[in-house]
Amino acid sequence: EAGVTQFPSHSVIEKGQTVTLRCDPISGHDNLYWYRRVMGKEIKFLLHFVKESKQDESGMPNNRFLAERTGGTYSTLKVQPAELEDSGVYFCASSPDRGTQYFGPGTRLTVL
Amino acid sequence: AQTVTQSQPEMSVQEAETVTLSCTYDTSENNYYLFWYKQPPSRQMILVIRQEAYKQQNATENRFSVNFQKAAKSFSLKISDSQLGDTAMYFCAFMKQRDDKIIFGKGTRLHILP
Repeated sequence: EAGVTQFPSHSVIEKGQTVTLRCDPISGHDNLYWYRRVMGKEIKFLLHFVKESKQDESGMPNNRFLAERTGGTYSTLKVQPAELEDSGVYFCASSPDRGTQYFGPGTRLTVL
Repeated sequence: AQTVTQSQPEMSVQEAETVTLSCTYDTSENNYYLFWYKQPPSRQMILVIRQEAYKQQNATENRFSVNFQKAAKSFSLKISDSQLGDTAMYFCAFMKQRDDKIIFGKGTRLHILP
């Protein structure tokens, strides 16, 4: 069974540009989560989808971040426009129920 | 608000030794889950071990075991007979029951030396 996959693995963009991160959860997992780790800090929760609906987006830092999960399969996280403080590693996780979350390898975003 | 503290940013031990990683947390909840996740270099994060707060028995998974002290809000991870493949960043984490947000500590970078 394939694990959670994320694309791209690395992204380097300039301040003001737009970046879209993609997450493919484990097949059949209704729950999908986004987290972020900024350099030197803890991994922080961003939001939670149940199928295509946003269950909890309390961790989204501001309105420059937009997450979607059309059709309840893969999810995208768009940052527009990117700022320097958005640099970090963005993790996606999925879960079949409200229990153990299975993480992807992360996307390392660098904003110059 | 819940917090998770890992007081050891980095540790090194010789192969085959036993190592203990510390974790403390703060919560007013009575029902919750605790986790240890492992992230090897350039690889994805995987769950090492999980503990339900209502269980008094410490969880074990092969060479990995925890010392869960609920009253002290402590959740340490012991790795026995450490192997080179145990080299990784280890994250202690907390999740309230009926919630989905995992709260992570800053991590402990563990090096197993040959």
